[in-house]
Amino acid sequence: EAQVTQNPRYLITVTGKKLTVTCSQNMNHEYMSWYRQDPGLGLRQIYYSMNVEVTDKGDVPEGYKVSRKEKRNFPLILESPSPNQTSLYFCASSERGPQDEQYFGPGTRLTVT
Amino acid sequence: GNSVTQMEGPVTLSEEAFLTINCTYTATGYPSLFWYVQYPGEGLQLLLKATKADDKGSNKGFEATYRKETTSFHLEKGSVQVSDSAVYFCALNTGNQFYFGTGTSLTVIP
Repeated sequence: EAQVTQNPRYLITVTGKKLTVTCSQNMNHEYMSWYRQDPGLGLRQIYYSMNVEVTDKGDVPEGYKVSRKEKRNFPLILESPSPNQTSLYFCASSERGPQDEQYFGPGTRLTVT
Repeated sequence: GNSVTQMEGPVTLSEEAFLTINCTYTATGYPSLFWYVQYPGEGLQLLLKATKADDKGSNKGFEATYRKETTSFHLEKGSVQVSDSAVYFCALNTGNQFYFGTGTSLTVIP
């Protein structure tokens, strides 16, 4: 089954404790992206990747890192999480770029205390 | 800069009512426009898209026309069903980036 998976689905952590949210797709898609969803703000793009070893900042990259060492994986890293990063995070992938249909993962709800 | 503005919700309609959700955009260049839908507890799914001016996207009875002169991409459906209850996001793509509106929650009551 074609899908985008994220782990964990729920995470509660404390300020400053490094964490990684994994994202994996099995569709051989070139484009992958991370978004955060906050009430009243919709979804905002954090980082995106056009292909392996090619990543770039979206609208709200501060406090986040990503890597794309393999085509299928695109982890999101929070080196020193802060409470303002409490949010619902979605990973998405598409065949070539954002002009194509993006397939979204189920979301990761992160709480930073 | 690039941005999407869509009508505030929530919107509550009776089954078989006509739906319009307004969406306007600001963009550099020639963006592609999208409507994504999010059902409760799920990720987003593409509903429809249009890639150039005057294009009409359609799917599942929903339609939206890319109007460059009014920078709009309003979503319409002639007769909503209870199963259409969801949050609808208007979005645009320019270059390699993607921008979403804030979302409009729709509840359809029997």
